[in-house]
Amino acid sequence: AQSVAQPEDQVNVAEGNPLTVKCTYSVSGNPYLFWYVQYPNRGLQFLLKYITGDNLVKGSYGFEAEFNKSQTSFHLKKPSALVSDSALYFCAVRAPIYNQGGKLIFGQGTELSVKP
Amino acid sequence: EAQVTQNPRYLITVTGKKLTVTCSQNMNHEYMSWYRQDPGLGLRQIYYSMNVEVTDKGDVPEGYKVSRKEKRNFPLILESPSPNQTSLYFCASTDQGIRTGELFFGEGSRLTVL
Repeated sequence: AQSVAQPEDQVNVAEGNPLTVKCTYSVSGNPYLFWYVQYPNRGLQFLLKYITGDNLVKGSYGFEAEFNKSQTSFHLKKPSALVSDSALYFCAVRAPIYNQGGKLIFGQGTELSVKP
Repeated sequence: EAQVTQNPRYLITVTGKKLTVTCSQNMNHEYMSWYRQDPGLGLRQIYYSMNVEVTDKGDVPEGYKVSRKEKRNFPLILESPSPNQTSLYFCASTDQGIRTGELFFGEGSRLTVL
């Protein structure tokens, strides 16, 4: 069965420090992986995705993610955190088409808090 | 501006009073979907639609109905709401290759059922 795990409910980082939000996945076939961010009282915004190719994917707002097939991980990273990065982050994997039309399967979310 | 629009954004209702949450997208997307978000559970798919007049159940369809009469609209219907349907609901759409494209989300509809 397809699944996504975000092992940390909350990540605390000081402004200017690097940040990592962890994600591991389980999927049959090729993994199509996504990161979304949710600011308070807002919808989810797409950050980046891995479909194929380079294992290091760059996305919006200076975020990047590293796909590691052997560890089945897709960790979100940023070299220097900003207070404005504080939000709820979701990792997601796309299920095969025969599984509910290729739905997005989400992790439970990680609350990122960046302190000045 | 490309967007997914949901209404209402906030709603408080009582058990058993039918309600509809509307969703409209202006991107000519074929695929649309409804999710509910609950603390500690992430987002779970309620229903999805691959195209007009084609809808199917997601992971948590009980107590919900949908319709897809037009490409742009995908309303979520709660015929007889119950308190366990108190949640934050999101509509989403995509058409950039259903498997590889990212979903575009609405701003969410926070529903409270008393």
